[in-house]
Amino acid sequence: AQSVSQHNHHVILSEAASLELGCNYSYGGTVNLFWYVQYPGQHLQLLLKYFSGDPLVKGIKGFEAEFIKSKFSFNLRKPSVQWSDTAEYFCAVVSNNNDMRFGAGTRLTVKP
Amino acid sequence: GAGVSQSPSNKVTEKGKDVELRCDPISGHTALYWYRQSLGQGLEFLIYFQGNSAPDKSGLPSDRFSAERTGGSVSTLTIQRTQQEDSAVYLCASSLQGEKLFFGSGTQLSVL
Repeated sequence: AQSVSQHNHHVILSEAASLELGCNYSYGGTVNLFWYVQYPGQHLQLLLKYFSGDPLVKGIKGFEAEFIKSKFSFNLRKPSVQWSDTAEYFCAVVSNNNDMRFGAGTRLTVKP
Repeated sequence: GAGVSQSPSNKVTEKGKDVELRCDPISGHTALYWYRQSLGQGLEFLIYFQGNSAPDKSGLPSDRFSAERTGGSVSTLTIQRTQQEDSAVYLCASSLQGEKLFFGSGTQLSVL
């Protein structure tokens, strides 16, 4: 069965610091990849997704992610975080039979 | 329970039949969410429960869809007169109010 690993459980940064959140998955077939964000007290919002094509994907709010097939990774990045980026971030993988798996989430705390 | 439990894991039904999907959240989690994952798409929000009440039903796609939650615990999502476009993975998530989401493994619904 496929699984998704997010290695960082809690990341604490100061404003303007750069961010990289790791996501690795285990599945040998074709996958679609997603990053979702859950702001405090809200439900999920889609940040970005990768289906095919350019492995560097741009999302909303200045986020981007890079799909590296050989490493089974889809890390999320942002050059300069803001206090408003404080949230829980989930990586998700959908296999070609539409089985969707989420990582455990990474909590990001940005200090003003 | 230890995690969010959904049943059945797979459901195949004929067009026009009614189906019930069940979600057992983590014990003590007051918030419960239903999402839908269609093939090749991202998550679609359906409904949110806080306790037994549903302050946000905005995502239910039609009046064939309904959901209830009893005892602040188990929730059932009912789809009446299923259509082929209802085929998807239905995901349930729960959380303490305002806290991080925990996801079930989903119910894969196939409408023939």
